[in-house]
Amino acid sequence: AAGVIQSPRHLIKEKRETATLKCYPIPRHDTVYWYQQGPGQDPQFLISFYEKMQSDKGSIPDRFSAQQFSDYHSELNMSSLELGDSALYFCASSLGVGQGQPQHFGDGTRLSIL
Amino acid sequence: GDSVTQMEGPVTLSEEAFLTINCTYTATGYPSLFWYVQYPGEGLQLLLKATKADDKGSNKGFEATYRKETTSFHLEKGSVQVSDSAVYFCALSESAGANNLFFGTGTRLTVIP
Repeated sequence: AAGVIQSPRHLIKEKRETATLKCYPIPRHDTVYWYQQGPGQDPQFLISFYEKMQSDKGSIPDRFSAQQFSDYHSELNMSSLELGDSALYFCASSLGVGQGQPQHFGDGTRLSIL
Repeated sequence: GDSVTQMEGPVTLSEEAFLTINCTYTATGYPSLFWYVQYPGEGLQLLLKATKADDKGSNKGFEATYRKETTSFHLEKGSVQVSDSAVYFCALSESAGANNLFFGTGTRLTVIP
Protein backbone atom coordinates (compact mmCIF):
# COMPACT_ATOMS: atom_id res chain seq x y z
CA ALA A 1 0.00 0.00 0.00
CA ALA A 2 1.13 3.54 -0.70
CA GLY A 3 2.71 5.31 2.24
CA VAL A 4 3.64 8.85 3.11
CA ILE A 5 6.47 10.05 0.88
CA GLN A 6 8.94 12.63 2.08
CA SER A 7 11.66 14.29 0.10
CA PRO A 8 14.50 14.68 0.25
CA ARG A 9 15.60 11.91 2.61
CA HIS A 10 18.74 13.78 3.56
CA LEU A 11 19.59 17.46 3.31
CA ILE A 12 22.73 19.32 4.27
CA LYS A 13 22.64 23.08 4.62
CA GLU A 14 24.74 25.81 6.14
CA LYS A 15 23.70 28.35 8.74
CA ARG A 16 21.44 31.12 7.48
CA GLU A 17 20.46 29.16 4.39
CA THR A 18 16.90 28.11 3.51
CA ALA A 19 15.42 24.66 3.05
CA THR A 20 12.17 23.24 1.72
CA LEU A 21 10.91 19.84 2.79
CA LYS A 22 8.13 18.11 0.91
CA CYS A 23 5.50 15.64 2.01
CA TYR A 24 3.10 13.60 -0.10
CA PRO A 25 0.35 12.06 2.01
CA ILE A 26 -1.29 8.71 1.53
CA PRO A 27 -3.85 8.98 -1.30
CA ARG A 28 -7.20 10.33 -0.07
CA HIS A 29 -5.72 11.53 3.22
CA ASP A 30 -6.67 15.15 3.74
CA THR A 31 -4.70 15.97 6.89
CA VAL A 32 -0.98 16.49 7.18
CA TYR A 33 1.17 16.96 10.28
CA TRP A 34 4.80 18.01 10.67
CA TYR A 35 7.00 16.89 13.56
CA GLN A 36 10.60 17.61 14.51
CA GLN A 37 12.69 14.96 16.25
CA GLY A 38 16.01 16.04 17.69
CA PRO A 39 18.77 13.49 18.35
CA GLY A 40 17.64 11.06 21.03
CA GLN A 41 14.41 12.98 21.61
CA ASP A 42 10.74 12.39 21.08
CA PRO A 43 8.98 13.96 18.09
CA GLN A 44 7.64 17.44 18.72
CA PHE A 45 4.57 18.66 16.86
CA LEU A 46 5.15 21.67 14.61
CA ILE A 47 2.03 22.32 12.57
CA SER A 48 -0.88 20.60 10.85
CA PHE A 49 -3.24 21.18 7.96
CA TYR A 50 -6.71 19.89 7.21
CA GLU A 51 -8.24 20.42 3.80
CA LYS A 52 -5.51 22.93 2.92
CA MET A 53 -6.15 25.09 5.96
CA GLN A 54 -3.91 25.26 9.02
CA SER A 55 -5.64 23.28 11.74
CA ASP A 56 -3.21 23.54 14.64
CA LYS A 57 0.11 25.05 15.49
CA GLY A 58 2.70 23.69 17.87
CA SER A 59 6.28 24.65 18.57
CA ILE A 60 7.06 25.86 15.06
CA PRO A 61 9.57 28.75 14.99
CA ASP A 62 8.60 31.95 13.23
CA ARG A 63 11.42 31.26 10.75
CA PHE A 64 9.47 28.27 9.49
CA SER A 65 6.30 28.27 7.44
CA ALA A 66 4.25 25.57 5.83
CA GLN A 67 1.31 25.09 3.55
CA GLN A 68 -0.84 22.39 2.08
CA PHE A 69 -1.56 22.50 -1.63
CA SER A 70 -4.62 21.61 -3.69
CA ASP A 71 -3.29 18.08 -4.27
CA TYR A 72 -2.89 17.75 -0.47
CA HIS A 73 0.87 17.61 -0.51
CA SER A 74 2.59 19.87 1.98
CA GLU A 75 5.83 21.80 2.11
CA LEU A 76 7.74 23.00 5.14
CA ASN A 77 9.81 26.08 4.39
CA MET A 78 12.67 26.85 6.73
CA SER A 79 14.68 30.06 6.60
CA SER A 80 17.69 31.49 8.46
CA LEU A 81 18.69 27.98 9.43
CA GLU A 82 20.44 27.50 12.75
CA LEU A 83 22.60 24.68 14.06
CA GLY A 84 19.77 23.72 16.40
CA ASP A 85 17.51 23.01 13.45
CA SER A 86 19.48 19.83 12.75
CA ALA A 87 16.94 17.10 13.27
CA LEU A 88 14.77 14.49 11.67
CA TYR A 89 11.60 16.04 10.27
CA PHE A 90 8.61 13.76 9.96
CA CYS A 91 5.45 14.25 8.06
CA ALA A 92 2.36 12.25 8.90
CA SER A 93 -1.03 12.04 7.25
CA SER A 94 -4.47 10.95 8.34
CA LEU A 95 -7.98 10.79 7.01
CA GLY A 96 -9.75 13.66 8.74
CA VAL A 97 -9.08 14.94 12.23
CA GLY A 98 -11.57 12.83 14.11
CA GLN A 99 -10.55 11.49 17.48
CA GLY A 100 -8.51 8.37 17.22
CA GLN A 101 -7.67 8.73 13.54
CA PRO A 102 -4.24 7.14 13.30
CA GLN A 103 -1.43 9.13 11.80
CA HIS A 104 0.78 7.42 9.27
CA PHE A 105 4.35 8.63 9.21
CA GLY A 106 6.85 8.98 6.42
CA ASP A 107 10.47 7.94 6.81
CA GLY A 108 11.49 11.52 7.54
CA THR A 109 13.95 14.03 6.17
CA ARG A 110 17.24 14.22 8.03
CA LEU A 111 18.37 17.85 8.00
CA SER A 112 21.94 18.61 8.97
CA ILE A 113 23.10 22.18 9.45
CA LEU A 114 26.83 22.78 9.17
CA GLY B 1 -1.53 20.54 29.38
CA ASP B 2 -1.51 17.11 27.86
CA SER B 3 1.58 15.00 28.42
CA VAL B 4 2.87 11.45 28.34
CA THR B 5 5.32 9.94 30.81
CA GLN B 6 7.09 6.89 29.59
CA MET B 7 9.34 4.36 31.26
CA GLU B 8 12.91 5.32 30.65
CA GLY B 9 15.22 2.94 28.89
CA PRO B 10 17.16 1.44 27.55
CA VAL B 11 15.66 -1.97 28.13
CA THR B 12 17.63 -5.10 27.30
CA LEU B 13 15.91 -8.48 27.28
CA SER B 14 16.74 -11.98 26.20
CA GLU B 15 14.73 -13.53 23.42
CA GLU B 16 11.38 -14.97 24.60
CA ALA B 17 11.35 -12.79 27.73
CA PHE B 18 8.25 -10.88 28.83
CA LEU B 19 8.14 -7.21 28.00
CA THR B 20 6.43 -4.35 29.82
CA ILE B 21 6.97 -0.70 28.96
CA ASN B 22 5.09 1.62 31.27
CA CYS B 23 3.21 4.66 30.01
CA THR B 24 1.04 7.09 31.95
CA TYR B 25 -0.65 10.19 30.67
CA THR B 26 -2.10 13.51 31.74
CA ALA B 27 -4.93 14.91 29.69
CA THR B 28 -8.13 16.88 29.89
CA GLY B 29 -11.07 14.96 28.59
CA TYR B 30 -10.73 11.55 27.02
CA PRO B 31 -7.72 11.23 24.76
CA SER B 32 -6.96 8.51 22.28
CA LEU B 33 -3.80 6.55 23.07
CA PHE B 34 -1.23 5.04 20.74
CA TRP B 35 1.98 3.08 20.69
CA TYR B 36 4.37 3.79 17.83
CA VAL B 37 7.55 1.88 17.01
CA GLN B 38 10.61 3.29 15.31
CA TYR B 39 13.15 0.93 13.79
CA PRO B 40 16.67 2.24 13.13
CA GLY B 41 16.75 4.77 10.31
CA GLU B 42 13.02 4.56 9.72
CA GLY B 43 9.92 6.55 10.45
CA LEU B 44 7.34 5.93 13.14
CA GLN B 45 4.98 3.03 12.59
CA LEU B 46 1.68 2.74 14.36
CA LEU B 47 1.78 -0.39 16.51
CA LEU B 48 -1.60 -0.23 18.22
CA LYS B 49 -4.20 2.17 19.53
CA ALA B 50 -7.13 2.52 21.90
CA THR B 51 -9.73 5.25 21.78
CA LYS B 52 -11.73 4.79 24.96
CA ALA B 53 -11.44 3.45 28.49
CA ASP B 54 -10.99 -0.33 28.82
CA ASP B 55 -10.24 -0.70 25.10
CA LYS B 56 -7.39 -3.10 24.40
CA GLY B 57 -5.21 -2.48 21.39
CA SER B 58 -3.24 -5.39 20.01
CA ASN B 59 -0.94 -6.10 17.09
CA LYS B 60 1.96 -8.47 16.35
CA GLY B 61 1.71 -9.98 19.84
CA PHE B 62 1.85 -6.60 21.56
CA GLU B 63 -1.04 -5.44 23.76
CA ALA B 64 -1.97 -2.35 25.72
CA THR B 65 -5.13 -1.58 27.69
CA TYR B 66 -6.51 1.94 28.16
CA ARG B 67 -6.88 2.30 31.94
CA LYS B 68 -8.67 5.51 32.81
CA GLU B 69 -8.57 4.89 36.55
CA THR B 70 -4.77 4.75 36.55
CA THR B 71 -4.30 6.95 33.44
CA SER B 72 -2.07 4.28 31.99
CA PHE B 73 -1.48 2.49 28.69
CA HIS B 74 1.30 0.01 29.38
CA LEU B 75 2.71 -1.97 26.47
CA GLU B 76 3.20 -5.72 26.94
CA LYS B 77 4.39 -8.67 24.93
CA GLY B 78 4.61 -12.20 26.22
CA SER B 79 7.67 -13.33 24.27
CA VAL B 80 9.94 -10.84 22.54
CA GLN B 81 12.04 -11.56 19.48
CA VAL B 82 15.29 -10.05 18.25
CA SER B 83 13.30 -8.35 15.50
CA ASP B 84 11.37 -6.38 18.16
CA SER B 85 14.48 -4.34 18.90
CA ALA B 86 13.46 -0.72 18.28
CA VAL B 87 12.41 2.46 20.05
CA TYR B 88 8.83 2.48 21.33
CA PHE B 89 6.86 5.70 21.78
CA CYS B 90 3.66 6.10 23.73
CA ALA B 91 1.49 8.94 22.43
CA LEU B 92 -1.87 10.59 22.93
CA SER B 93 -4.15 12.82 20.96
CA GLU B 94 -6.70 15.11 22.51
CA SER B 95 -10.35 14.26 22.60
CA ALA B 96 -11.41 17.43 20.86
CA GLY B 97 -9.99 19.84 18.36
CA ALA B 98 -6.85 19.13 16.43
CA ASN B 99 -5.46 15.65 16.33
CA ASN B 100 -1.77 16.28 16.84
CA LEU B 101 0.14 13.74 18.90
CA PHE B 102 1.96 14.25 22.17
CA PHE B 103 4.76 11.73 22.50
CA GLY B 104 6.56 10.22 25.44
CA THR B 105 10.34 10.25 25.45
CA GLY B 106 10.63 6.81 23.87
CA THR B 107 12.04 3.55 25.23
CA ARG B 108 14.80 1.77 23.39
CA LEU B 109 14.39 -2.00 23.49
CA THR B 110 17.22 -4.35 22.62
CA VAL B 111 16.50 -8.06 22.45
CA ILE B 112 19.51 -10.35 22.53
CA PRO B 113 19.51 -13.93 21.25
